[in-house]
Amino acid sequence: QVTLRESGPALVKPTQTLTLTCTFSGFSLSTRGMCVGWIRQPPGKALEWLARIDWDDDKYYNRSLKTRLTISKDTSKNQVVLTMTNVDPVDTATYYCARKAKVGAHFDFWGQGTLVTVSS
Amino acid sequence: QPVLTQPPSSSASPGESARLTCTLPSDINVGGYNIYWYQQKPGSPPRFLLYYYSDSDKGQGSGVPSRFSGSTDASANTGILHISGLQSEDEADYYCMIWARNTYVFGSGTKVTVL
Repeated sequence: QVTLRESGPALVKPTQTLTLTCTFSGFSLSTRGMCVGWIRQPPGKALEWLARIDWDDDKYYNRSLKTRLTISKDTSKNQVVLTMTNVDPVDTATYYCARKAKVGAHFDFWGQGTLVTVSS
Repeated sequence: QPVLTQPPSSSASPGESARLTCTLPSDINVGGYNIYWYQQKPGSPPRFLLYYYSDSDKGQGSGVPSRFSGSTDASANTGILHISGLQSEDEADYYCMIWARNTYVFGSGTKVTVL
């Protein structure tokens, strides 16, 4: 059974660095073809992909946010970490982590999401 | 960053059909990419519905009813999600997505209302 759970601060101040952790089970990121991504959704708005990390440590980023994002993995802990620097109120959103399907590029299993508010 | 354009809303009565469109930018040919579709209900994460590349290369998400199907319109450079026999439980937001040039792009989303 595949599960993912996001964790991190609910409130962050502008200019701070946001660190989010995705803890997953039911698969291993050391298995060929496995990948985990981060997607966010501001309240009432559309989904926006942020980053993806693959089993072989390849990383992909949203080009508009690339300079502010870092994704990493700890295979032994079954965790993926996303950091976002210099946050702004426009970064207020629900942040989801999700597993890329074994076949295809889509995300087949998602966490429930964690709401992060950026406010002073 | 490319943009996938979806109409903001669509409505139909129970039992009717809905046709949701996802228009790709002119520099991305719909014929060269899988179009992925998600359903999202309030307070829940997106649920993968299906992908469509061609009639011979398509796939349904786990447990997704066959009344959800996909297609493309090459002349309009558009991906299409068809929902037949609309049910009240289909009321949700629907997003298209592509993986192109090592980037995921989501559409702007369509809110489907079942009248």
